[in-house]
Amino acid sequence: EVQLVQSGAEMKHPGESLKISCQGSGYNFINYWIGWVRQMPGKGLDWMGIIYPGDSDTRYSPSFQGQVTISADKSISTAYLQWTSLKASDTAIYYCARRDCSGTNCNFRYWGQGTLVTVSS
Amino acid sequence: QSVLTQPPSVSGAPGQRVTISCTGSSSNIGAGYAVHWYQQLPGTAPKLLIFGNDHRPSGVPDRFSGSKSGTSASLAISGLQAEDEADYYCQSSDTSRSDVFGTGTKVTVL
Repeated sequence: EVQLVQSGAEMKHPGESLKISCQGSGYNFINYWIGWVRQMPGKGLDWMGIIYPGDSDTRYSPSFQGQVTISADKSISTAYLQWTSLKASDTAIYYCARRDCSGTNCNFRYWGQGTLVTVSS
Repeated sequence: QSVLTQPPSVSGAPGQRVTISCTGSSSNIGAGYAVHWYQQLPGTAPKLLIFGNDHRPSGVPDRFSGSKSGTSASLAISGLQAEDEADYYCQSSDTSRSDVFGTGTKVTVL
């Protein structure tokens, strides 16, 4: 059974750093892209970026380029989303999801449970 | 970054048929990329509902159907049920080698 298990909720102050994780199991982690998706309170889904754990190829949405860092450690089947200086506007639920592709057509079939990040002074 | 446009809300009585549109551009849907649909129930992660324009993952009722034409796509829910009340999102890929989500549609069962 494919599972993506994310790290727990975080409460941080503005300016602090943070790294959240997403551990995959039940499949060969290095062979599938992992994506990160933001959902701000009461809002829609925002595609942040993706990483291919096999070779660490990473792509970012222009909206998130330079704001976050996506990485992966294939030895422990885990992907990460990292901030160096959080802002209140980073308050959101962050989902990881496995990106399944058929040729150039890719969707997100399996999702983590989400990590709530709250940034407040 | 491009965005796929959906109506903010649609509603229908139990048993009725509702449709949700998803309008893209020549850099995503119009470029030939497939459209996928997700259902998000309150307080839960999104769930893949339709993939590859019109395919249902196992376990998804055949009341849900998808279609695509040109730069747009649609999700239809026939025989609307109370349990279908949720947010729905379309998603496609883009010529910039990224993916893009729709703005989301809230379905209300009257």
